[in-house]
Amino acid sequence: EADIYQTPRYLVIGTGKKITLECSQTMGHDKMYWYQQDPGMELHLIHYSYGVNSTEKGDLSSESTVSRIRTEHFPLTLESARPSHTSQYLCASSDWTESYGYTFGSGTRLTVV
Amino acid sequence: DQQVKQNSPSLSVQEGRISILNCDYTNSMFDYFLWYKKYPAEGPTFLISISSIKDKNEDGRFTVFLNKSAKHLSLHIVPSQPGDSAVYFCAARELGAQKLVFGQGTRLTINP
Repeated sequence: EADIYQTPRYLVIGTGKKITLECSQTMGHDKMYWYQQDPGMELHLIHYSYGVNSTEKGDLSSESTVSRIRTEHFPLTLESARPSHTSQYLCASSDWTESYGYTFGSGTRLTVV
Repeated sequence: DQQVKQNSPSLSVQEGRISILNCDYTNSMFDYFLWYKKYPAEGPTFLISISSIKDKNEDGRFTVFLNKSAKHLSLHIVPSQPGDSAVYFCAARELGAQKLVFGQGTRLTINP
């Protein structure tokens, strides 16, 4: 079944640790996105990619980095986690041929202590 | 500057009645609008969309209305059911762009 997967679902980590949030999709979509969302706030675009070896920063400045070496994989890395990075991170993909826009993963709830 | 605004953080509606969620936007270049529904600890799921060339789109219990002159859209859910309790996000896409701008969401609670 075509889908988009994010791991881990929940992560509690200490300050200064390096972490990678995984996102993979099986739909063959060229476009992939990372959004950050805090409770009661809008989803903020932090990174996006329109294809392999193509990545761009989004509207919200983020200390994270991304890579797109394979079409199906779009991991997000924080080199040194801080409490200010505590948030929900949502990965999405699209080919914009359907009316539904994005397909979202289930998200990663990150807590940095 | 927030381009998509949902000014009601929460809404409470009785089961069986109509739920109306509102969304305002400022960018006249937006040509496509979507509503997503989000449960806690889950990613948003698509609900309904509308192109800027239309003023209404209906899908079962869900109808979206677009008023371009007022830069306003609304989502009507009728009749409301307990399973509709969730956070609803309005989103918009700018003409030629391939990414979405989201509002801050409205938490809808359906009371039995």
